[in-house]
Amino acid sequence: QQQVKQSPQSLIVQKGGISIINCAYENTAFDYFPWYQQFPGKGPALLIAIRPDVSEKKEGRFTISFNKSAKQFSLHIMDSQPGDSATYFCAAYPGGSRLTFGEGTQLTVNP
Amino acid sequence: GAVVSQHPSWVICKSGTSVKIECRSLDFQATTMFWYRQFPKQSLMLMATSNEGSKATYEQGVEKDKFLINHASLTLSTLTVTSAHPEDSSFYICSARGTSGTEQYFGPGTRLTVT
Repeated sequence: QQQVKQSPQSLIVQKGGISIINCAYENTAFDYFPWYQQFPGKGPALLIAIRPDVSEKKEGRFTISFNKSAKQFSLHIMDSQPGDSATYFCAAYPGGSRLTFGEGTQLTVNP
Repeated sequence: GAVVSQHPSWVICKSGTSVKIECRSLDFQATTMFWYRQFPKQSLMLMATSNEGSKATYEQGVEKDKFLINHASLTLSTLTVTSAHPEDSSFYICSARGTSGTEQYFGPGTRLTVT
């Protein structure tokens, strides 16, 4: 019930391509869905977040798509750049509680 | 805004000694702070949650006598690893959540190596 399943585990994309990372959840009490970006040896940084009353949120090259009925959400990185190479974590939580993280996706963007 | 700092960024200690890691919210008041542990190529594992002025709530399997957490003010939490052993070597990350109760911001992490 508390799990968030993330795929793929690793992803290689060419520069300029679209990176897509998917997450699925079971707990319908989740009401906040952030994505974090983590570089090696650093803490995670909040990238973008969405609430279930919105189906899509875009910030620059990063877009979250949210499908409430399917209990799935995804991160799309448009025009992927080598500097986007990092590990991405989806997360979810019922407000006021604690985050449940996905397993992480290691993204490599080749120049 | 929403900056969380950690100190030290890395530390090496001998087995049997204790190490204290500080976590500070620099530009907001953190009503709740979290401590995570992360192994290479793995996700973050929540160790404990603390609210300012209250005792920390530890996750199942985390030894509260070994990992002492103090959240004495709205901007500072500390994690003390007592009688450290090589298996405690890991990347420790703190996180803080402010009064909005939504966004959670992470510190840069502390690499602990126990020899």
